[in-house]
Amino acid sequence: QVQLVQSGAEVKKPGASVKVSCKASGYAFIRYGISWVRQAPGQGLEWMGWIGANNGNTKYEQRFQGRVTMTSDTSTGTAYMDLRSLRSDDTAVYYCARDHIAVGATFFDYWGQGTLVTVSS
Amino acid sequence: DIQLTQSPSSLSASVGDRVTITCRASQPMTNYLNWYQQRPGKAPRLLIFAASTLQSGVPSRFSGSRSGADFTLTISSLQPEDVATYYCQQGYTIPPFGQGTKLDIK
Repeated sequence: QVQLVQSGAEVKKPGASVKVSCKASGYAFIRYGISWVRQAPGQGLEWMGWIGANNGNTKYEQRFQGRVTMTSDTSTGTAYMDLRSLRSDDTAVYYCARDHIAVGATFFDYWGQGTLVTVSS
Repeated sequence: DIQLTQSPSSLSASVGDRVTITCRASQPMTNYLNWYQQRPGKAPRLLIFAASTLQSGVPSRFSGSRSGADFTLTISSLQPEDVATYYCQQGYTIPPFGQGTKLDIK
């Protein structure tokens, strides 16, 4: 079955960087893109960006441009999200989600379990 | 950019009630509208895609429909396990998600 398994919780100081991994299994990794979505405590879902697993193409939400880098390793079926210059308002649960693009539809059909990133001095 | 506005932002209903959540798009769009359920402390789960197609494994009490700019998620008979926040999402522009509707049991 399709699974996305994310790396464990992180605690970082302001100004540091964090790299979250998302290991995919149960499907052909290169056939689907991966999006990253975050959720601050008590808040809604915020899309951060997308990476095409087959070619490494990326698209980032404008407010994260310059601070985020998304990569993928097709040999291990793993996607990564690197966020730099962390601030306290980056404290959130970070999710990876598989992008399903079909005729007449595009949606996130499988999600990782989430990774809590806490930014605190 | 297409903005999605969900209503209500929260609601309480009784077990067995019919529950309706609406998502209004700020611009005309086709049926690239999806619904997710997020139970407390859990990752989101896809319920409905392309406005009305039920994702595999989702109970048939969930359904989606569209009338003009309004997309609707309906739970035909509310169950205790349906306590969650529900999000709509469009596949055209950023930001893709509505602000969420929190549903609990009376």
